[in-house]
Amino acid sequence: DTEVTQTPKHLVMGMTNKKSLKCEQHMGHRAMYWYKQKAKKPPELMFVYSYEKLSINESVPSRFSPECPNSSLLNLHLHALQPEDSALYLCASSQDLNDNEQFFGPGTRLTVL
Amino acid sequence: GEDVEQSLFLSVREGDSSVINCTYTDSSSTYLYWYKQEPGAGLQLLTYIFSNMDMKQDQRLTVLLNKKDKHLSLRIADTQTGDSAIYFCAESPYYGGSQGNLIFGKGTKLSVKP
Repeated sequence: DTEVTQTPKHLVMGMTNKKSLKCEQHMGHRAMYWYKQKAKKPPELMFVYSYEKLSINESVPSRFSPECPNSSLLNLHLHALQPEDSALYLCASSQDLNDNEQFFGPGTRLTVL
Repeated sequence: GEDVEQSLFLSVREGDSSVINCTYTDSSSTYLYWYKQEPGAGLQLLTYIFSNMDMKQDQRLTVLLNKKDKHLSLRIADTQTGDSAIYFCAESPYYGGSQGNLIFGKGTKLSVKP
């Protein structure tokens, strides 16, 4: 299994909602990543987890809260988002932080109303 | 700081070769990558090259690296309509303890006309 899966594919939420994005991989990778991609822009790194511990937080607002419950799963909890947070949220994984061959999931298209 | 530059658009006819160019600034980059992104989809790793290599070929894809000029190119032979997508160049500026930092270019939108 060389796939990174993400659910849901699409999500529409209001500014007062709480929702979560999920990412899963079964490649035994120990590094997992969240990226945000706005239309016609490259992906921007948000968070990096290494061995289930948060390794990098790229100054992301606290309304985004990542969680890595085990080595296969990565969640992104969303609360009190703004319309400008609407974007494609991409999850990726790699063998570990020394391996930059990252495998990307298909993304979750988030719309904040 | 690190920066990756790409031209934004490329249009070719089906069957022709496509060449997508990229320049980067960090001479310590160890790996350079090409990703493909189809509309509404995630990124697919197409190929990558280690910085001590000049060329890498993989079926229809040829990657050329000029380390002196910090120039990377992706050639797609016999371009098909299914190759229409945005192609991102990315560099990995660290070796070991990389902290997973990939620096992406803005992407080149390849349009293939029948």
